[in-house]
Amino acid sequence: DVKVTQSSRYLVKRTGEKVFLECVQDMDHENMFWYRQDPGLGLRLIYFSYDVKMKEKGDIPEGYSVSREKKERFSLILESASTNQTSMYLCASSLYASSTDTQYFGPGTRLTVL
Amino acid sequence: RKEVEQDPGPFNVPEGATVAFNCTYSNSASQSFFWYRQDCRKEPKLLMSVYSSGNEDGRFTAQLNRASQYISLLIRDSKLSDSATYLCVVNDIDSWGKLQFGAGTQVVVTP
Repeated sequence: DVKVTQSSRYLVKRTGEKVFLECVQDMDHENMFWYRQDPGLGLRLIYFSYDVKMKEKGDIPEGYSVSREKKERFSLILESASTNQTSMYLCASSLYASSTDTQYFGPGTRLTVL
Repeated sequence: RKEVEQDPGPFNVPEGATVAFNCTYSNSASQSFFWYRQDCRKEPKLLMSVYSSGNEDGRFTAQLNRASQYISLLIRDSKLSDSATYLCVVNDIDSWGKLQFGAGTQVVVTP
């Protein structure tokens, strides 16, 4: 079974703090993704990576950066957290960048920025 | 306009009944279609892919209508465990594996 883990289930930070969200997958998947999920908006793609040290902007990259130094690990960084970044953050991975490939999700991190 | 639109529901369904709902997508170039299921406070998981000819997986049937740009999901003989939010997901052929998610349709199966 594919396993995608995220470093925290719940996180509370203050405005202006630097926040790191970690994601690890154990199935040697090529692609990794970071989404945020908000009520009524669905999942929106922040960044994705199709290879180590490679990254591509998704639909809402502003205020975020990412790092992929190892194939299994994909980090999301909020350089200076703001209250509008309070959300559920979901990491996902897929084996290839095929349009038919299944994405496997981690359990999510619920981030609250005060 | 959102690329993928769904009726948020909730659809309240008696146990054993049939429920069906649609999802519309705006990009006619979309090539791949999926239904994901998300339980309360859990991550989304693939329920089924949607093929051009329609497909069935047990009590679940998915259909694609390219002309009208919508996909549908039908659940027969609903079980309490079918209560979840169903996410419509669309992928463009040139989008490098990127998925567009609908906001989800909530289904509540009642005893």
